[in-house]
Amino acid sequence: AQSVTQPDIHITVSEGASLELRCNYSYGATPYLFWYVQSPGQGLQLLLKYFSGDTLVQGIKGFEAEFKRSQSSFNLRKPSVHWSDAAEYFCAVVLTGNQFYFGTGTSLTVIP
Amino acid sequence: DTEVTQTPKHLVMGMTNKKSLKCEQHMGHRAMYWYKQKAKKPPELMFVYSYEKLSINESVPSRFSPECPNSSLLNLHLHALQPEDSALYLCASSQLAGVAQETQYFGPGTRLLVL
Repeated sequence: AQSVTQPDIHITVSEGASLELRCNYSYGATPYLFWYVQSPGQGLQLLLKYFSGDTLVQGIKGFEAEFKRSQSSFNLRKPSVHWSDAAEYFCAVVLTGNQFYFGTGTSLTVIP
Repeated sequence: DTEVTQTPKHLVMGMTNKKSLKCEQHMGHRAMYWYKQKAKKPPELMFVYSYEKLSINESVPSRFSPECPNSSLLNLHLHALQPEDSALYLCASSQLAGVAQETQYFGPGTRLLVL
C-alpha cells in the first residue's frame, strides 16, 4: 500500500538557522507531491508542489523542496527560519485521481 | 482570489442537536471536499463533490450529511453527533476532481465540540 512518512514528529530550530523537514513515500511510480503548512487553528496553505521536470522546486515564504527519486524523498528546506514559520507541516502524495494521502505531520518550534 | 471561507469558525453542540457547517468558494472550482482533522493528526478525507454530485464517501457515518446546493457552496449537516466527532472540519476545493495535478485550496476550518 502507498504511504507517506514524515519521520520527525517534532523539530526545534533557532531563528535564523536552516531547516530541513523530511518526507518519504512508498510507491513504484513518481507521485505528485505537495507540502502544506498549517498554523495553529488554521487551514492548510500550499507551500509548493512537484509534478515533473526540475527536481528542485521553489515555493512561497522562501521554502524549497527537492525530489529525489532514488531515495523516494521530497524534503522541504529553508535556509533561514523565521519565528513565524512555527507551524505544522504536512507532506502529501497524490497518486491517481486527486485523493491526497497526507503524512502524519511535523511540528516546528522556532526558538529565539 | 484563492480563498475558501467556512462558517462558523467555532461550534459547540449537544448530541441531540442539528447543526450545519458551510463552505464557500468563488474560484470557479468544480470539486469540493470535506476533511476531518483530529488534534495532532493529518486531515482525513470524508467526502468529495464533483460538479455538485457526490463522487466519494469515505464510509462516513450517516450522522454526517453533505450537500452541494450549487457549484460555490458546500454544506455539512450534523445530527446526533458523538463526542468523538469533535474535531476541526476542513473544506477544500480544486478546479477539477479526479485530476492528480490539481491543487486543493483549504479553508480555515470549523472547530467543532460535541458535548
